[in-house]
Amino acid sequence: DGGITQSPKYLFRKEGQNVTLSCEQNLNHDAMYWYRQDPGQGLRLIYYSQIVNDFQKGDIAEGYSVSREKKESFPLTVTSAQKNPTAFYLCASSQVEGGPWSEQYFGPGTRLTVT
Amino acid sequence: GQQLNQSPQSMFIQEGEDVSMNCTSSSIFNTWLWYKQEPGEGPVLLIALYKAGELTSNGRLTAQFGITRKDSFLNISASIPSDVGIYFCAGHRTGFQKLVFGTGTRLLVSP
Repeated sequence: DGGITQSPKYLFRKEGQNVTLSCEQNLNHDAMYWYRQDPGQGLRLIYYSQIVNDFQKGDIAEGYSVSREKKESFPLTVTSAQKNPTAFYLCASSQVEGGPWSEQYFGPGTRLTVT
Repeated sequence: GQQLNQSPQSMFIQEGEDVSMNCTSSSIFNTWLWYKQEPGEGPVLLIALYKAGELTSNGRLTAQFGITRKDSFLNISASIPSDVGIYFCAGHRTGFQKLVFGTGTRLLVSP
């Protein structure tokens, strides 16, 4: 089955620690995205990548970092510089060539709690 | 960043009723998407719209791309308890490499 996997589902960290969230897709999509979701708010874009070894900041990139070494993988690191890291994090992917790139497909999410 | 205006914010209806919700913006969009999100899960794409005036159905769901290109509508007919969730709209503007999301409409269905 094609899809997007995120792991772990729940993650707990102490303040001051960096943490990396995993996102893998086997949809053969070129583009991948990270969003943050807080209660009562729409999704906010953290980072996106449309091709391997290239990525761009979204609206709320401060305190986060990403890498895109493989087409299938787009891990997100939440650094200690992120002031309010507790949130639900969603990874998504979409086509770029040969299809409507704007149709994004989401993973199941990772809920990060930092205390 | 910009967000789309969705209304209503929440709805509590009886099973079997029809539901309507909308998404509006002050900007023109070239794509409208509708997603459903259940608690603790990622959003699932329901319907994608690409042309002004387009009307597209997916089972009991029907969505329309507004003629002004600044709005979109989602209708759910004969609601059932499993329709419960948060419905998000998302739009894409020409020249922008990202989607803009609405704040969601929370739907509750009473059996």
